[in-house]
Amino acid sequence: GAGVSQSPSNKVTEKGKDVELRCDPISGHTALYWYRQSLGQGLEFLIYFQGNSAPDKSGLPSDRFSAERTGGSVSTLTIQRTQQEDSAVYLCASSDSTLYGYTFGSGTRLTVV
Amino acid sequence: ILNVEQSPQSLHVQEGDSTNFTCSFPSSNFYALHWYRWETAKSPEALFVMTLNGDEKKKGRISATLNTKEGYSYLYIKGSQPEDSATYLCALWGSARQLTFGSGTQLTVLP
Repeated sequence: GAGVSQSPSNKVTEKGKDVELRCDPISGHTALYWYRQSLGQGLEFLIYFQGNSAPDKSGLPSDRFSAERTGGSVSTLTIQRTQQEDSAVYLCASSDSTLYGYTFGSGTRLTVV
Repeated sequence: ILNVEQSPQSLHVQEGDSTNFTCSFPSSNFYALHWYRWETAKSPEALFVMTLNGDEKKKGRISATLNTKEGYSYLYIKGSQPEDSATYLCALWGSARQLTFGSGTQLTVLP
């Protein structure tokens, strides 16, 4: 596609429920990143996929968080047993792995009530 | 681990005023410094990429400088307009092949 697509754009869920966030990166971009921004905080790195390599999961805040990237393209970020502190904007970005940065999606705003 | 700090956290200016904010980093052990602009409900948009000490970039009324020796980058906006209201993010690209972001400066331009 022309840009990075994320869905849903907004998600309200009850505490304890599982959620799945989807990211469709730019075709041909080998690198895919997930970040989140909680209220009043900076962009926090979550996970990084590069081609067929094992993902860098060093930013995932707990084992309730997991992510997959199927076929080197679409990625889903899953949060199990959501907590109120999971409320944030979740941003996906893709890159052709140069130092010239990312193309971001418009994010998913997750609210856990 | 790269550290990035941005100041101020938020800023209100009147339309027509010029303004600037700072990105500082204790270590120059990175390949590139990026500035992004993030409007509410939109995707962060790349503004500038700078790689060399002394780099200066300009796009319309917005410009940026990089001083790796003293550990800072400035973003300047000349003649601020309400449409400039956004969060401005600074990020460093390092050996981990990912961007490390500062917490941003939230700019509000009052008409």
